[in-house]
Amino acid sequence: DSGVTQTPKHLITATGQRVTLRCSPRSGDLSVYWYQQSLDQGLQFLIQYYNGEERAKGNILERFSAQQFPDLHSELNLSSLELGDSALYFCASSVGGTEPYEQYFGPGTRLTVT
Amino acid sequence: ILNVEQSPQSLHVQEGDSTNFTCSFPSSNFYALHWYRWETAKSPEALFVMTLNGDEKKKGRISATLNTKEGYSYLYIKGSQPEDSATYLCASRTLYNNNDMRFGAGTRLTVKP
Repeated sequence: DSGVTQTPKHLITATGQRVTLRCSPRSGDLSVYWYQQSLDQGLQFLIQYYNGEERAKGNILERFSAQQFPDLHSELNLSSLELGDSALYFCASSVGGTEPYEQYFGPGTRLTVT
Repeated sequence: ILNVEQSPQSLHVQEGDSTNFTCSFPSSNFYALHWYRWETAKSPEALFVMTLNGDEKKKGRISATLNTKEGYSYLYIKGSQPEDSATYLCASRTLYNNNDMRFGAGTRLTVKP
């Protein structure tokens, strides 16, 4: 158990809908990262927040957005969902921001878009 | 967009064999290289974070080296055990391009008893 929690564990929704995935980092960690793992693309980095502010950005679609709240939990919002958004979404946390600290991954949220 | 490449794609070894695999990454604007161990149906687990050219890190029977000038890292496993069976992923982080992080496709290691 890494200490990173993600909810929900599974989510099934229809195309065009909007969902919110939630992540709570390990106690004391200030950074949260979001990743997408789809069958055909491997693991992709989406976005990082550090202490409430966006710190790094990867291949995140405009339909997706994230934020980190004052209590350091983070939410990933996915809107206008398409079939191709079906994937396993991981959250990870680390102590610092741009410094290369080890990241601890949560168990993931499996999203199925039908 | 420059990619992170890992080789081989998969590897089957006998228990007790030592093995190694490669991660190649863009050397320009390099910031950090991460290695992860990923077992089936679990989450990736951090092994090493490396930043400096010539870095060598070790954790038990697993070690890694880093060459930032030529853009590669090696992961070594000494005396492989069946519990080492997993996918080993590397990820390269750059200083620019929004501090993006790019993952390789992984090397799937199977250790036969």
